[in-house]
Amino acid sequence: QSALTQPPSASGSPGQSVTISCTGTSSDIGIYDYVSWYQQHPGKAPKLMIYEVNKRPSGVPDRFSGSKSGNTASLTVSGLQAEDEADYYCSSYAGSNNFVVFGGGTKLTVL
Amino acid sequence: QLQLQESGPGLVKPSETLSLTCTVSGGSISSTSYYWGWIRQPPGKGLEWIGSIYYTGSTYYNPSLKSRVTISVDTSKNQFSLKLSSVTAADTAIYYCARRTVTTVEYWGQGTRVTVSS
Repeated sequence: QSALTQPPSASGSPGQSVTISCTGTSSDIGIYDYVSWYQQHPGKAPKLMIYEVNKRPSGVPDRFSGSKSGNTASLTVSGLQAEDEADYYCSSYAGSNNFVVFGGGTKLTVL
Repeated sequence: QLQLQESGPGLVKPSETLSLTCTVSGGSISSTSYYWGWIRQPPGKGLEWIGSIYYTGSTYYNPSLKSRVTISVDTSKNQFSLKLSSVTAADTAIYYCARRTVTTVEYWGQGTRVTVSS
């Protein structure tokens, strides 16, 4: 299983919206609605922000939303805030052997 | 609140075996709803799934690491462990233990840095 493809960087000004893409294949994102997004600040563990494509865990602001079309999933952060500056990783269930595949990560900069 | 805590040596010599333990508190490792897994992150790089285990002992490994990985569970201690054999510098990383469902990784430990060096 190959890693999911994310852009290395994204940016936006405070208050704006930014969308990060995550491209997989018909063996992972394309067939399973099990896409997750994680936020990682420097020196910290990743934090779950979105699961099952578009569900938010308790405590995650509704400024974070997820979607999927075909083999590509997307994370949208609306109303950007300074604290949203972090690395974001997508992941997908990949079926065989209960496997999880991650994206390479996107560094989000709030200008 | 569920907490996961990694422990183990921070320095391992090349060709030796890396051994880490994850202690789970605030929840039972014998829950039927969850898998327990290991994920690593090399310096400055992305995340890599290593493998996971169910409380019954069923294991699921990343095919790229399968020949070197063993994950085990000790339900009496509410712990699970990782062994990675024949390590090289490429295995230098932050190692996270985690709780996952089929669909997502819900909780992460704080991570432990392991360096492979003589």
